[in-house]
Amino acid sequence: NAGVTQTPKFQVLKTGQSMTLQCAQDMNHEYMSWYRQDPGMGLRLIHYSVGAGITDQGEVPNGYNVSRSTTEDFPLRLLSAAPSQTSVYFCASSYQTGGGYTFGSGTRLTVV
Amino acid sequence: KQEVTQIPAALSVPEGENLVLNCSFTDSAIYNLQWFRQDPGKGLTSLLLIQSSQREQTSGRLNASLDKSSGRSTLYIAASQPGDSATYLCAVSGGGADGLTFGKGTHLIIQP
Repeated sequence: NAGVTQTPKFQVLKTGQSMTLQCAQDMNHEYMSWYRQDPGMGLRLIHYSVGAGITDQGEVPNGYNVSRSTTEDFPLRLLSAAPSQTSVYFCASSYQTGGGYTFGSGTRLTVV
Repeated sequence: KQEVTQIPAALSVPEGENLVLNCSFTDSAIYNLQWFRQDPGKGLTSLLLIQSSQREQTSGRLNASLDKSSGRSTLYIAASQPGDSATYLCAVSGGGADGLTFGKGTHLIIQP
């Protein structure tokens, strides 16, 4: 049971480039979400999904897109990378309302 | 807007001591509260999940309590060990798919 798998683990982008951070879970969880973690700011919610085909914005959605075509996958797209998007990104999933969240190991992104 | 505060921000104690980490939240209408551990450069590991109807949860040397009406939770670590050194994060859920609201964490160092 792999849990929540994130790829890549590390990435360096140039300003203006686009990329997709991958997240997959094998626990049949309906809820999935993306967070970014910055020093002094803690973890902040970017986007979340209640199931395939349904997504919504979190606290800091600007500059990011998501889609959820399957229960298992929830990719995060950076449209035009900016240095302010340098951060560690975590994907998480939960079975249902009231269920605890399981987190991936993170993607460390640097935008130069 | 829910806000989560963790006190202290950092703590250094000698091995063997019992210690308490504190977490407070501003909106008592939570569904559950989850404590995580994060090692440097790593992801989040779930330690304990407390539903809003529960008062406490225990796992090994860890005990978490919840007082929903006062907006407080504590994480008690018994007989601390150097391997307990990490950042401990408290997070609350409103019950929807819109994820967790995190505190900024307590950075714990256990001196051998």
